[in-house]
Amino acid sequence: GESVGLHLPTLSVQEGDNSIINCAYSNSASDYFIWYKQESGKGPQFIIDIRSNMDKRQGQRVTVLLNKTVKHLSLQIAATQPGDSAVYFCAENIGGNMLTFGGGTRLMVKP
Amino acid sequence: DAGVIQSPRHEVTEMGQEVTLRCKPISGHNSLFWYRQTMMRGLELLIYFNNNVPIDDSGMPEDRFSAKMPNASFSTLKIQPSEPRDSAVYFCASSLALGGGSTDTQYFGPGTRLTVL
Repeated sequence: GESVGLHLPTLSVQEGDNSIINCAYSNSASDYFIWYKQESGKGPQFIIDIRSNMDKRQGQRVTVLLNKTVKHLSLQIAATQPGDSAVYFCAENIGGNMLTFGGGTRLMVKP
Repeated sequence: DAGVIQSPRHEVTEMGQEVTLRCKPISGHNSLFWYRQTMMRGLELLIYFNNNVPIDDSGMPEDRFSAKMPNASFSTLKIQPSEPRDSAVYFCASSLALGGGSTDTQYFGPGTRLTVL
């Protein structure tokens, strides 16, 4: 889920299908990761987090997977709904209490 | 319960004017963050306060930007003088930092959309 300038990667899925959004992080020392959802005109909204001592964490319809070997994070959304359409950001702890955000991935859900 | 509150939600001003953005963090939170979001640069951390003290301001673009946190329930981000390239959405976020080296979830406000003409 990295952006380049004005272009956001876009994932288009059919309503009811599962979605997988990927993120590559940069700091092998990062120990905390968060996924945020941002709808148009709103601030980022917390979805789910995971600490580096885990490789999987599940929430309601969402699952985050962490692969520290390849520094990869993914967000899986089950039974994607139109209300899931948004931009999704991964964020990693860069030290202290600060986060670095990825560029975002736009999820579009087709009815 | 109220989340992070920001005001104004929209601000349109002319180049050279002073702009002040306001934030009220979630009650009980002890860390506050100011971010700027643009299409070109994404979401950037500007400054971070812990217990009302600025901890890291390395993201503040230049001397025209300043931030204060006079108490636990209020912070301001000021731009003086403003320039067209400052146009962006500015977010405030807060968290409850429990210390011990852990990182805690940041909760974002709705943002202030700033347009400098």
